[in-house]
Amino acid sequence: DGGITQSPKYLFRKEGQNVTLSCEQNLNHDAMYWYRQDPGQGLRLIYYSQIVNDFQKGDIAEGYSVSREKKESFPLTVTSAQKNPTAFYLCASSVTDRVGSEAFFGQGTRLTVV
Amino acid sequence: GESVGLHLPTLSVQEGDNSIINCAYSNSASDYFIWYKQESGKGPQFIIDIRSNMDKRQGQRVTVLLNKTVKHLSLQIAATQPGDSAVYFCAESDASGGSYIPTFGRGTSLIVHP
Repeated sequence: DGGITQSPKYLFRKEGQNVTLSCEQNLNHDAMYWYRQDPGQGLRLIYYSQIVNDFQKGDIAEGYSVSREKKESFPLTVTSAQKNPTAFYLCASSVTDRVGSEAFFGQGTRLTVV
Repeated sequence: GESVGLHLPTLSVQEGDNSIINCAYSNSASDYFIWYKQESGKGPQFIIDIRSNMDKRQGQRVTVLLNKTVKHLSLQIAATQPGDSAVYFCAESDASGGSYIPTFGRGTSLIVHP
């Protein structure tokens, strides 16, 4: 079945450690996004990519990095510079070749600093 | 409906009642709107969308109303069921302006009592 797969579902990070969250899609979507969700809050955009080998910062990019070497994959690295990384991270993808299309989401990765 | 503040707005209804969830959007150039449903610990799922050239769109048990004059969007759920309990987000994008990136509101928690 087509969809977006995020892994792992749960991730624990020690202080000062970098961790990478995986996001893979087989929907043949050009655009991919990373959002952060804190309890009781909406989704805030971290990074997005509308084409391979290109990506743009979102509203809260500090302390995060991404790469887009393949159309199917958009991994997010949470670096030690991110001082409050505990959150629920959501990856999404969408088409870009028509006006107005919904974003499809993965099931999320819950990151906890220990 | 949505409001400014630290706590997620909550709507409590009885099973079988109709529910109305409201959303105020910010960008007057937004021309594509989506409602998502997010169950606990999962990614958001698409419910219904509407383009700015419409003011009403109906789906199965759901209706979205758009009032561009006051930048207001609502989601009506008919005969609400316990399985409808979730957090509901509205998202907007300026699709004709070349941006496919959805911007999310804070969400409303719907609690359905059996």
